[in-house]
Amino acid sequence: GQQVKQSSPSLTVQEGGISILNCDYENDMFDYFAWYKKYPDNSPTLLISVRSNVDKREDGRLTVFLNKSGKHFSLHITASQPEDTAVYLCAAGDTEGADRLTFGKGTQLIIQP
Amino acid sequence: EAAVTQSPRNKVAVTGGKVTLSCNQTNNHNNMYWYRQDTGHGLRLIHYSYGAGSTEKGDIPDGYKASRPSQENFSLILELATPSQTSVYFCASGDRLGQDTQYFGPGTRLLVL
Repeated sequence: GQQVKQSSPSLTVQEGGISILNCDYENDMFDYFAWYKKYPDNSPTLLISVRSNVDKREDGRLTVFLNKSGKHFSLHITASQPEDTAVYLCAAGDTEGADRLTFGKGTQLIIQP
Repeated sequence: EAAVTQSPRNKVAVTGGKVTLSCNQTNNHNNMYWYRQDTGHGLRLIHYSYGAGSTEKGDIPDGYKASRPSQENFSLILELATPSQTSVYFCASGDRLGQDTQYFGPGTRLLVL
């Protein structure tokens, strides 16, 4: 089954609003969580990551929230801008296991001016 | 800046033919990865490697082989290409999960006719 799930294939937000992207995972051993951003015809790049010893991490307009009991993490983007329009991929991994990530299917974020 | 390069960038192959996709990294990372990206599937891990001489199966290894002859190079081999292997392939390099991000190459667009 899918170990990392992004249930929303797409999300449209007005410019200046808050974009909230969600990700659910199944594996209890996952303790590393990341969000990657991908523009069309470009490669994914890391936006922000968090370990399971914290439940929140902020970096500028980006905040990751981790809910371990609910096996859920989310990315909040404040003051959303048209250049935030991209595909956002969540990923998770087990730092005590294989050095690999499991990715979700991605959410297309569209910021409307 | 971390550097991962892939060749070729575009490839057209015939069904039943052999295809080799090459990846080179100058990051001195121990780990390297091959993913494919398809609409509706996100990034799926095909094979990965922990160092020269090592290859590990990812989530969708069937129909693919991998070779890691050196720290810098990691190849993905399709011995008998099929149209279902038409996709965009990304190579990535990284170190211990959580200690560094995965850096992705620019991708190879493969069309199997």
